[in-house]
Amino acid sequence: GGIITQTPKFLIGQEGQKLTLKCQQNFNHDTMYWYRQDSGKGLRLIYYSITENDLQKGDLSEGYDASREKKSSFSLTVTSAQKNEMAVFLCASTGRANTGQLYFGEGSKLTVL
Amino acid sequence: AQKVTQTQTSISVMEKTTVTMDCVYETQDSSYFLFWYKQTASGEIVFLIRQDSYKKENATVGHYSLNFQKPKSSIGLIITATQIEDSAVYFCAMRGATSSGQKLVFGQGTILKVYL
Repeated sequence: GGIITQTPKFLIGQEGQKLTLKCQQNFNHDTMYWYRQDSGKGLRLIYYSITENDLQKGDLSEGYDASREKKSSFSLTVTSAQKNEMAVFLCASTGRANTGQLYFGEGSKLTVL
Repeated sequence: AQKVTQTQTSISVMEKTTVTMDCVYETQDSSYFLFWYKQTASGEIVFLIRQDSYKKENATVGHYSLNFQKPKSSIGLIITATQIEDSAVYFCAMRGATSSGQKLVFGQGTILKVYL
């Protein structure tokens, strides 16, 4: 088995601040994802990456940057934190042979003051 | 563009009964994969079951089964003999097999409450 680790679990920042979330997986999966979940809502895709150094925009990419410098890690940067984007950010991964079944991390909760 | 819609916000059922949760999807891909995930109260999200669009048989895993109606772009989740621990949020998701690559989108979720 493997695990997806997201850090930090809780992130508090000031409005306008640049904030970074990190995700590590030891499944040796090719594809990784970042989703945003607002309280009581569904998951919206921000960015995904099908291999090292690849980046694909999701439906909610504006205001975010991502980086996949290694196969095992995928980071997400909030370029200028806003109060209306307080949410839980979820990282997930899937292997090439696995037709889309995702494995999720525990989430990182962002609070903007 | 891909889109997944779950119109049922919340469902309450008595324990040991059967419940169906609805999901409709939109895609331009001729081949695609459909999934259901469960999010527990702790926030953990787990995969439940998958339907490949080219398969006519409805997928079944344990007490989860799917009602796949391709002409209606519909993939319902059926839970038989519900248990208290089935109380959770259920998400429908899809991924195209061709043009959209590995992009996987989710619906808004349906809250299921199972009571005694």
